[in-house]
Amino acid sequence: GESVGLHLPTLSVQEGDNSIINCAYSNSASDYFIWYKQESGKGPQFIIDIRSNMDKRQGQRVTVLLNKTVKHLSLQIAATQPGDSAVYFCAENNWGNLIFGKGTKLSVKP
Amino acid sequence: SQTIHQWPATLVQPVGSPLSLECTVEGTSNPNLYWYRQAAGRGLQLLFYSVGIGQISSEVPQNLSASRPQDRQFILSSKKLLLSDSGFYLCAWSRTSGGYSNQPQHFGDGTRLSIL
Repeated sequence: GESVGLHLPTLSVQEGDNSIINCAYSNSASDYFIWYKQESGKGPQFIIDIRSNMDKRQGQRVTVLLNKTVKHLSLQIAATQPGDSAVYFCAENNWGNLIFGKGTKLSVKP
Repeated sequence: SQTIHQWPATLVQPVGSPLSLECTVEGTSNPNLYWYRQAAGRGLQLLFYSVGIGQISSEVPQNLSASRPQDRQFILSSKKLLLSDSGFYLCAWSRTSGGYSNQPQHFGDGTRLSIL
């Protein structure tokens, strides 16, 4: 079936480096995507979203890239900080519902 | 600004006991409301959503039910809990403008439910 997935379940980066978290989706009709950050014991926190009529969107230290040709979504975090350590989820609008991937755990090494 | 509250934060219940988890949203009117379950190390599974008072849609067959007695109140219930009901339950809201499918959902901090 169609689903949202992730290339890597874990990612470890050095503090100050840039992080890139990837997500693949399979529903070519999806027109809206969201990235969430979830810290331990808390609910997912909205980071940034992007609609399918865009290829790139920037926020504070974060950038989301959408490649509709290969159905790929990525989240870039600039100058990664210890506070960025969390699980990151992408979500896809799939026939009116948001479908979430399993998440990528980002660990930041001091 | 909008806020969402869930309680309790943690709950330990025996098998066969009833359940009531509450979620309220402040700072917005007529939100879409959602209940999700998150199993350990897995993504979020949508259980119920509501587009208005008394309107509940169920996404998966289960031992749980949901109700929306007021515009900004969403309740998750069960008459008899099963061991398999253990998990992390999350409530979320989104705006209704433009269709709920193109609006971000904002989550509460969840209820950790353990069934013994």
